[in-house]
Amino acid sequence: KQEVTQIPAALSVPEGENLVLNCSFTDSAIYNLQWFRQDPGKGLTSLLLIQSSQREQTSGRLNASLDKSSGRSTLYIAASQPGDSATYLCAVANYGQNFVFGPGTRLSVLP
Amino acid sequence: GAVVSQHPSWVICKSGTSVKIECRSLDFQATTMFWYRQFPKQSLMLMATSNEGSKATYEQGVEKDKFLINHASLTLSTLTVTSAHPEDSSFYICSAQGGVDTQYFGPGTRLTVL
Repeated sequence: KQEVTQIPAALSVPEGENLVLNCSFTDSAIYNLQWFRQDPGKGLTSLLLIQSSQREQTSGRLNASLDKSSGRSTLYIAASQPGDSATYLCAVANYGQNFVFGPGTRLSVLP
Repeated sequence: GAVVSQHPSWVICKSGTSVKIECRSLDFQATTMFWYRQFPKQSLMLMATSNEGSKATYEQGVEKDKFLINHASLTLSTLTVTSAHPEDSSFYICSAQGGVDTQYFGPGTRLTVL
């Protein structure tokens, strides 16, 4: 059974800092891994999608890496801004396309 | 923790038929539910936001007359794909909002339209 964990559970940083969010999963036989952003009261916003054959994806100030063998993914956010404050979710899709989501990391970027 | 169920978990239908997918929050009340879909090798995309007792809010590019959403109670939202076509084949997932910023996700429904 796939289990996904995320650390830290919460993070508070001053504006401008670079930061790393971590995601771990127990079953390396994944189809893809996605990072989402969740704002209070809103639906998910997809940030980055990494296929199982890929090692990283980049979009603007965001970079996500994937190491299947160790069951880890990291989301790197460069030059953080107050608008980046949200909950960040990691989700792993198994080959049956059933999603397993991590519990999320709540990020606060202080001005 | 809070549980959200979806039914059916998978469905195969003929082109032109309608398919209804249910999303239920089993042990909490959800005033807001979200519907997502994911095409193969693509990211999960928000389709619509469903609020109990009011009309759903659809994302740009999602046809509201094709994807009918009904959120008649605090524990049930339904998505009906009307006149389904093969291009509607996708993975549909719902989430239910159990608090100010806590969402719980259903296991998803795999729709295949022949």
